Amino acid sequence: DVKVTQSSRYLVKRTGEKVFLECVQDMDHENMFWYRQDPGLGLRLIYFSYDVKMKEKGDIPEGYSVSREKKERFSLILESASTNQTSMYLCASRSENTDTQYFGPGTRLTVL
Amino acid sequence: ELKVEQNPLFLSMQEGKNYTIYCNYSTTSDRLYWYRQDPGKSLESLFVLLSNGAVKQEGRLMASLDTKARLSTLHITAAVHDLSATYFCAVDLFGGNMLTFGGGTRLMVKP
Repeated sequence: DVKVTQSSRYLVKRTGEKVFLECVQDMDHENMFWYRQDPGLGLRLIYFSYDVKMKEKGDIPEGYSVSREKKERFSLILESASTNQTSMYLCASRSENTDTQYFGPGTRLTVL
Repeated sequence: ELKVEQNPLFLSMQEGKNYTIYCNYSTTSDRLYWYRQDPGKSLESLFVLLSNGAVKQEGRLMASLDTKARLSTLHITAAVHDLSATYFCAVDLFGGNMLTFGGGTRLMVKP
């Protein structure tokens, strides 16, 4: 079974803090993704990575950066957290050989 | 800009009834995905539709894709309580890496 894990289920941070969200997949997938999920808006793609050290902007990259130093790990960074970044963050991964993205359990981030 | 719209946004139905969820999208694509999300859980892949006219079925759920109409449907047959969840469609424009999701349909099946 594909397993995508995220470092925290719940996280509370203060405005202006630097926030790291970590995602690890154990299936040697080439592609990894970060989404945020907000009620009524579905999921929106922040960034994705198709290889180590490679990244592409998604639909809403502003205020976020990413890092992929190892194939299995993809990090989302909020350089200076703001209250409008309070959301559920979902990580996903996909093999080049399949069409399906596999999702992690999500991190609910609250920025006060 | 690709827009993906689902309707209804909320659906309450009795067990044993049939219903259809609609997913409309604004730009030509022949790759469409359906996911299920249970409360407090992550997304689970249901169907991947990769061509015009594609139809896939799993249990009481059947998904179809009409690329000319830019429409996918998720049909529920004889609903049961276990199908209560939020269902998302997503359209792909970039080889599996640029999914645009609809807003989701929250389905409640009452006994």
